[in-house]
Parts: sequence; C-alpha cells; structure tokens
Amino acid sequence: QSVLTQPPSASGTPGQRVTISCSGSSSNIGGNTVNWYQQLPGTAPKLLIYTNNQRPSGVPDRFSGSKSGTSASLAISGLQSEDEADYYCAAWDDSLNGYVFGTGTKVTVL
Amino acid sequence: EVQLVESGGGLVQPGRSLRLSCAASGFTFDDYAMHWVRQGPGKGLEWVSSISWNSGSIGYSDSVKGRFTISRDNAKNSLYLQMNSLRAEDTALYYCAKDVYAARHAAGRLNYWGQGTLVTVSS
Repeated sequence: QSVLTQPPSASGTPGQRVTISCSGSSSNIGGNTVNWYQQLPGTAPKLLIYTNNQRPSGVPDRFSGSKSGTSASLAISGLQSEDEADYYCAAWDDSLNGYVFGTGTKVTVL
Repeated sequence: EVQLVESGGGLVQPGRSLRLSCAASGFTFDDYAMHWVRQGPGKGLEWVSSISWNSGSIGYSDSVKGRFTISRDNAKNSLYLQMNSLRAEDTALYYCAKDVYAARHAAGRLNYWGQGTLVTVSS
C-alpha cells in the first residue's frame, strides 16, 4: 500500500558511497518535506534525516539527504558495517491527509 | 529521557477487538501530536493513525479507517488505539511514536519511537 517507491536493496563495500532513491508524487514528496528513518535489525526505527536534508543531533555527517521534484535520495558516504539496516523515506500525503512511508531499502555492507 | 512503552498486544481471533496503550514519559505529552505505525512480519513500515495534541485533528490510513479509533488522555500521558473487526492482515508490531509538532503537520516527523507491541490476528 506504500505510495513511495524505493529499491528493495542496495549494497556496497566499506568506505563506498551508497545512494537510495525514493519516488513519490505531487501529493506527497512534490509538495512536502521528506524524512528518512533507519531501522537496525531487531530495533525500532530512528529518525535519520528530516526536512529533506537535515540531520538530528548525533547522526553522522556521512548521511545526507536531498530532494528534487517528486523524488528524494539518501546517500551514505564512507559506508560502515554498522550502517547495515533498513532505510525508509516518509512524507505527508495531502490526498490521504496522513503520513506515508516508502517501501523500504535493505542496505548490505559486503 | 523520552520513553514510550506500548502494551495491550496479543493473540486475537478475526473479527474481535483489542485496545493498545502507549505510556509516555520524559516530555510534556500534551505538547505533541502522536502516531501509531505498524510493521507486519517481514514487511515495511505502515503509518496507521495520528492525533493532534488536543485530539482536535485525527487521521487514519485507508486500511484501518472505520475499524480503528485513536485517542489520548493527556492527564494520564497515554495514547490509545482501539482496534475493532480485526483481520489477519492487521497482524503486526504496533509502534507508538511522538511527533515534533503539536498539530498534525505536513512537516511533522517522528523523533521518538517505542519498542512496539505485537498483535497477532488468527483463529
């Protein structure tokens, strides 16, 4: 039922840069800000990026976000083993009058 | 320290009801909107419902609209989810999460999450 589409998986070796895309529409990403959540195995999600490209305190600066039109991206530079997790984009949807999450991307560190 | 502790999950038969609770502490509860988010086994996150600080604005996903009711008791620092007419597809880990705004806001984001309570709908 997700209206935000992400690739199911992404991978890289330690130190590499990985990018995750999030595709939406004018009723969500196109008109509202995008947030990203990280979910480590067996734990609750954690806010990673907010308002398209802002990092909460404590989030390393190797995580960065961007948005253009109806799409957004999360980049992880200098990939580390502890970055192995599921990543979800999210945004408000004006048509649904509610919050929507992306389909999720599993990042594997090779 | 912000804490959100969900309770009330369990095994329930299809068509029956269940009420989830979320006890909040470590922040001024009535200053913030709150959300319920669920995650089916092996699946992604799905927003379920949210409520503004004063219960004046409430929203639901299409998948639960008409069956679930969100509410809050600011005097008890508690959030609730009344789930009726449960279906097998409602089986999930249900998270309570805090917003950064008081209102249901398009720029809202969930900055604290509980550990979840598991709901299993099965005969």
